[in-house]
Amino acid sequence: QVQLQESGPGLVKPSQTLSVICTVSGGSISSGGYYWSWIRQHPGKGLEWIGYIYDSGATFYNPSLRSRVTISEDTSNNQFSLHLTSVTAADTAVYYCARHKRTGGYSSHWGQGTLVTVSS
Amino acid sequence: DIQMTQSPSTLSASVGDRVTITCRASHSINRWLTWYQQKVGKAPKLLIYKASTLESGVPSRFIGNGSGTEFTLTISGLQPDDFATYSCQQYNSYPWTFGQGTKVEVK
Repeated sequence: QVQLQESGPGLVKPSQTLSVICTVSGGSISSGGYYWSWIRQHPGKGLEWIGYIYDSGATFYNPSLRSRVTISEDTSNNQFSLHLTSVTAADTAVYYCARHKRTGGYSSHWGQGTLVTVSS
Repeated sequence: DIQMTQSPSTLSASVGDRVTITCRASHSINRWLTWYQQKVGKAPKLLIYKASTLESGVPSRFIGNGSGTEFTLTISGLQPDDFATYSCQQYNSYPWTFGQGTKVEVK
């Protein structure tokens, strides 16, 4: 059974870069057929899809965040990462990683989420 | 972007009730819609995909319906474990977008 686990800094200062890692167990991120995704949820709000990585490094991002987002992978450690630059308080959210099937944009495998607060 | 609007935002109900949540898309999304259940402090749990296909292991009291721009999630016989927030998500076009959520609370 695939499991995903986020790890993040907890607190990031405004204008800095937010980085969160997702460690995958029970399955390889190099295996085909899946998008490895990032989604976030602002406090008390709905979910927002950030983007995903697939096919050995190809990426696709939400246009609203594209200029600030990079998703990368570390196949040797079976991890993928989110990097969000120039953060503001509006980027305070719970960040989730998830595995989406390539055949459909839905996921039955999510991490537990990590809260990242942007504050000085 | 396709906007997803859920109604109501909050729904008060009792165990055993039949409840229905509506999700409307700003443009047609065919049947490319999924429903998630989320409890406080937890990740979303997949309930239904392709508008009406029940995810494995999800009780049959959860029923999804609709196509185009209007969709519903019905819980037929609300159970204590069902008090949670429910969100719809479209995956017809990018960016994938979610509804704002419907909280089902104890009446």
